[in-house]
Amino acid sequence: DTGVSQNPRHKITKRGQNVTFRCDPISEHNRLYWYRQTLGQGPEFLTYFQNEAQLEKSRLLSDRFSAERPKGSFSTLEIQRTEQGDSAMYLCASNLWVGQGIIYGYTFGSGTRLTVV
Amino acid sequence: AQSVTQPDIHITVSEGASLELRCNYSYGATPYLFWYVQSPGQGLQLLLKYFSGDTLVQGIKGFEAEFKRSQSSFNLRKPSVHWSDAAEYFCAVESGGSYIPTFGRGTSLIVHP
Repeated sequence: DTGVSQNPRHKITKRGQNVTFRCDPISEHNRLYWYRQTLGQGPEFLTYFQNEAQLEKSRLLSDRFSAERPKGSFSTLEIQRTEQGDSAMYLCASNLWVGQGIIYGYTFGSGTRLTVV
Repeated sequence: AQSVTQPDIHITVSEGASLELRCNYSYGATPYLFWYVQSPGQGLQLLLKYFSGDTLVQGIKGFEAEFKRSQSSFNLRKPSVHWSDAAEYFCAVESGGSYIPTFGRGTSLIVHP
């Protein structure tokens, strides 16, 4: 297993278009997270899954955003009717959660850079 | 709510000099603490983590960090910086029940030859 994979690496889209990003986590990891990072800032939490269940969503995740993890493996993040303010790096992370705690740390992918023009 | 403060936006050091990056967190109980490094255009790489036990933790690339409960701090150190250490460094905290790491805004490390 080579880590967390995100596709595409870069996406340029026109305002108003829909975009979808994919994240493939480490296979044995049951939790998957989406973060957004804008220039000069740290990653901001968007949502996370345990297996196929979406357990929490941030207030940053407007109605235009939707995330799925249908089989508990890969996940997709879709943004509808993109706006220029959506331009950011979208990061995916995964970890193995057991019982009351996590094992190891969070492994991040290289991210998808979205530019809305 | 948990929060993380990295008070230094930029740090400039000479190659071979020692380094300390500051991180303070706000959370009542003992949190999980992390340091990540990010090179331009890349994702985040875990340097080290603290869950419990020994308060001085060793990480990759010669980094270490010390958890000080009394100061709510988790500062990152390296005795001798290399030019390849130039990057953005992020401290993150996860409270015991949130399962969601909160990141600081990062510290940009500049290394002069």
